[in-house]
Amino acid sequence: AQTVTQSQPEMSVQEAETVTLSCTYDTSESNYYLFWYKQPPSRQMILVIRQEAYKQQNATENRFSVNFQKAAKSFSLKISDSQLGDTAMYFCAFMSPILTGANSKLTFGKGITLSVRP
Amino acid sequence: DGGITQSPKYLFRKEGQNVTLSCEQNLNHDAMYWYRQDPGQGLRLIYYSQIVNDFQKGDIAEGYSVSREKKESFPLTVTSAQKNPTAFYLCASSPLTSYNEQFFGPGTRLTVL
Repeated sequence: AQTVTQSQPEMSVQEAETVTLSCTYDTSESNYYLFWYKQPPSRQMILVIRQEAYKQQNATENRFSVNFQKAAKSFSLKISDSQLGDTAMYFCAFMSPILTGANSKLTFGKGITLSVRP
Repeated sequence: DGGITQSPKYLFRKEGQNVTLSCEQNLNHDAMYWYRQDPGQGLRLIYYSQIVNDFQKGDIAEGYSVSREKKESFPLTVTSAQKNPTAFYLCASSPLTSYNEQFFGPGTRLTVL
């Protein structure tokens, strides 16, 4: 079974600075997908970024980028130029690709609460 | 506008009563999911369904039941057998593509008194 570990329960960053959120996972599979989801105080889950394991290039979405280290099974999220609206819980999640006749599901970490200070 | 709706946003029930949480999507997604969120626990999968009239148990299915009579709807019933039902419940849906990105509804906060 896959597991996802987010060891830091809380982090804080000054507005406009950069912060990195850590995530490690455990799997025996070679092909899979990794996600970072954001849950602001409204509690609406929003996809931040996605990484396919077979791609060596790290995914980037505007101010959000990942550092994907497949051998180390590490998937950290870097937020540049932090904004007050980035204050939220962030969840790292793992998914195996759908195989014929099989089912797939997301496995989430426990999340990290990020506070951006003005 | 396409999206996922969950109703109600807040739900209060007396202990021992069954309660049904609604989840509807108009994204034409094949797969739908129910998650439970507790403080410090992240999201845990309760049930999921990939086609109409078929569904599978997730990691914490005990005390819950679901139905999938229509592609758009995936209601979750919290039964009296669920020992600790007070939680935040999230519904999600996804197309059956290779990466299966899940889109989430706004959630229902269930409080059992």
